[in-house]
Amino acid sequence: GAVVSQHPSRVICKSGTSVKIECRSLDFQATTMFWYRQFPKKSLMLMATSNEGSKATYEQGVEKDKFLINHASLTLSTLTVTSAHPEDSSFYICSVLDRGHETQYFGPGTRLLVL
Amino acid sequence: DQQVKQNSPSLSVQEGRISILNCDYTNSMFDYFLWYKKYPAEGPTFLISISSIKDKNEDGRFTVFLNKSAKHLSLHIVPSQPGDSAVYFCAASVRNQGGKLIFGQGTELSVKP
Repeated sequence: GAVVSQHPSRVICKSGTSVKIECRSLDFQATTMFWYRQFPKKSLMLMATSNEGSKATYEQGVEKDKFLINHASLTLSTLTVTSAHPEDSSFYICSVLDRGHETQYFGPGTRLLVL
Repeated sequence: DQQVKQNSPSLSVQEGRISILNCDYTNSMFDYFLWYKKYPAEGPTFLISISSIKDKNEDGRFTVFLNKSAKHLSLHIVPSQPGDSAVYFCAASVRNQGGKLIFGQGTELSVKP
């Protein structure tokens, strides 16, 4: 399957600052990527669908002005958590969609801690 | 509304025995199902999938069974190994709907030596 990386793997920031998380598809040209967050002992919650060259589609309840997504190339999508608050602390995971195999392949995740 | 449910939060199995992880869904439009394995602080790893036109798919020690009438699928791991200890998520999608996956809550499998 596709190899996906995320950077950084973990980040600690102060409340009120913005944090950018990168998701890279290393061996696959991904027109569609997804962003999830996972709370401890919980399922993966889809935040948004990121389409290359167009605006992201956000799931109900996800603030698009708070979670800015940019998918400027076929190998890179970024998620920026703006004006982060402690409740934004979570594990953020991206995935790339392999349409041919109808499968998503996931990155290793980014642990965000907002103090 | 939880469209994909894994009702067992945890399962403990002896090494060498069979592990059976269950998943139920409510949306009859789902026509593609996947199982992922996840270790703590890592992203999920794809294991195996099945299309709704099949009732069984096998890949090595992993077999997925689909019962469409019961809206139920299961993942069988045999023989179970300690390295299989992880959280297993089932996921469902509707083909040609943008590839979105709906995940279950996960089942934590512990395989004891």
